[in-house]
Order: sequence, then C-alpha cells, then structure tokens
Amino acid sequence: NAGVTQTPKFQVLKTGQSMTLQCAQDMNHEYMSWYRQDPGMGLRLIHYSVGAGITDQGEVPNGYNVSRSTTEDFPLRLLSAAPSQTSVYFCASSYLAENEQFFGPGTRLTVL
Amino acid sequence: RKEVEQDPGPFNVPEGATVAFNCTYSNSASQSFFWYRQDCRKEPKLLMSVYSSGNEDGRFTAQLNRASQYISLLIRDSKLSDSATYLCVVNDEGGKLIFGQGTELSVKP
Repeated sequence: NAGVTQTPKFQVLKTGQSMTLQCAQDMNHEYMSWYRQDPGMGLRLIHYSVGAGITDQGEVPNGYNVSRSTTEDFPLRLLSAAPSQTSVYFCASSYLAENEQFFGPGTRLTVL
Repeated sequence: RKEVEQDPGPFNVPEGATVAFNCTYSNSASQSFFWYRQDCRKEPKLLMSVYSSGNEDGRFTAQLNRASQYISLLIRDSKLSDSATYLCVVNDEGGKLIFGQGTELSVKP
C-alpha cells in the first residue's frame, strides 16, 4: 500500500495563479482532510470530507476549494494564489474523523 | 483561548534524561486524544493514543486527566533520536481532530 500520496512535493506560484494540489489514498478511508502548517501556528484544518460527494469547511477555508468525486482522491484547488498562502500543505486520511490520521508527505508551496 | 495549548519549548535535555510535556484542551466533551511526532519538515506520525486509564509504550507514557482537561507525555531515558516536535491532538465537538502547535524537543549528547 502506498498510503497517502501527495503531488507535487514543491511548487512556486506567482500571485494570481491557480493550481491543484493532488492527494490520494489507497486505504479505503472515508475521512480525508487538508491542513496547512505555518511556523508557530501548528496544523490548521482547511477543508475536510467524510465520504465521496461530501465536503465541508474547516478553520481556514478562504481561497481554497475541494471536491471528493471518489473515495480515493481529494484534490485541493487554490483559486487565485496569494503570498499569504505560502505554507506547507498536508493531506490526511482516516477511517473516521476521530481516528488516527495518516498523513501524506506534504507539498511545500511558495507564492511570490 | 486556543482549543489545544502546548508549551512550544524548545526543551533541551541531555541523553538519558526524563522529560514531560503537558497539553491542555478546552472542549470537555472531547473523547479522542493522541500524541503525534513530527520530524523536521516531515509529515506528522502517530506516536500513541491516550486512554483514560493511561498507557505506556516502552519509554513513553501518556496520561489523561479529564477533570483538569490536560494530557501529558513522559519520555524516559531520552535518546538522540527522540529529538522532534511532539503534537498534542484532541477531537472537537464535530469529531474532527484539533492539533496543538507542538512542543519541540532537542536531546543533546
């Protein structure tokens, strides 16, 4: 099993550009989530999904969209990148929201 | 008040030392408690779940005090390889996990 995979590992964008961060898991987990991690801030929840076709907002959803068309995939879209979105993005999955979460390796995003 | 609060450290300890981390949480209805470990620039990984009765895994002991709403992690006989950031995690009212900002540990020879 690959676990949770994320692509790309690194990305540099210019302000105003859009892009999609990919996340996939092969553990048949229902719950998937996206976090961003900034120095001194810990992990903050952006969006989450409790199953295919169902998504909801987390603590810091502005500027991001998600969709969950399959159990395996949970892409995160940046609509119009801003320097404030420079961060490390982690995707995670678990059987249920309150269970142990398995994290992908992260995407390091810089917005210039 | 933050939902999950930790002392950010850093804690600098010599090899072989015993070190303890505390974490407080605000939601009295929380039912799931974890300690995660995060190495520099890597993804967080589960260290151990925390149960009401307390639990131990080798050199690591986790305790939960529901009345005072805090969780602790004790590391005995610290190793150089224990150097990392330790994240306290608690579920919120909707079940989602809330992460503390982490406590940095540096074990020196």
